[in-house]
Amino acid sequence: DAGITQSPRHKVTETGTPVTLRCHQTENHRYMYWYRQDPGHGLRLIHYSYGVKDTDKGEVSDGYSVSRSKTEDFLLTLESATSSQTSVYFCAISDYHRGGYEQYFGPGTRLTVT
Amino acid sequence: GIQVEQSPPDLILQEGANSTLRCNFSDSVNNLQWFHQNPWGQLINLFYIPSGTKQNGRLSATTVATERYSLLYISSSQTTDSGVYFCAVEQGSGTASKLTFGTGTRLQVTL
Repeated sequence: DAGITQSPRHKVTETGTPVTLRCHQTENHRYMYWYRQDPGHGLRLIHYSYGVKDTDKGEVSDGYSVSRSKTEDFLLTLESATSSQTSVYFCAISDYHRGGYEQYFGPGTRLTVT
Repeated sequence: GIQVEQSPPDLILQEGANSTLRCNFSDSVNNLQWFHQNPWGQLINLFYIPSGTKQNGRLSATTVATERYSLLYISSSQTTDSGVYFCAVEQGSGTASKLTFGTGTRLQVTL
């Protein structure tokens, strides 16, 4: 258990509304990630962070922004949610273990945009 | 970007059977991980294996980096092995660990 929590765990929102998902970790990990999981696509990287205020884009970053003002929190924001952003969102951390940098995942947030 | 293909896409086994899952990748990598997503959606890290062979109980994995594939072996399968198995790779420096995932192999183990 890498001490990762996500909130909320489930959310239903309407098209056009802003949404913020929170990832919280308790073990001072430097690297944090946001992925989305959709049928037929596996997991795809949205954004990642390599330190406080240090973030970068992943494969599917359009329509998403992130912020990291504290080591323990990594926020994902959908400025104006669309139905194509209905998905399961996973947060992850990276930790050096068993000879390399391994990722450990939070429990996920199921987001439905109606 | 790098392509990751997993096979087979679906697999049904009887309890006690053995299986081999395959992951092919299109370019050299410095990070390869196997994950299990259980039926409740939780993702569990199984192996970090950019090359060589590792074993953990009934599971083992082998990566042949020069031939760009990795294999996950499940022996004496149990119903708790059901779920989706993902392979994920990274080409970069390895510290940022920006993974590209395959689309997974869905395994169902029946009694």
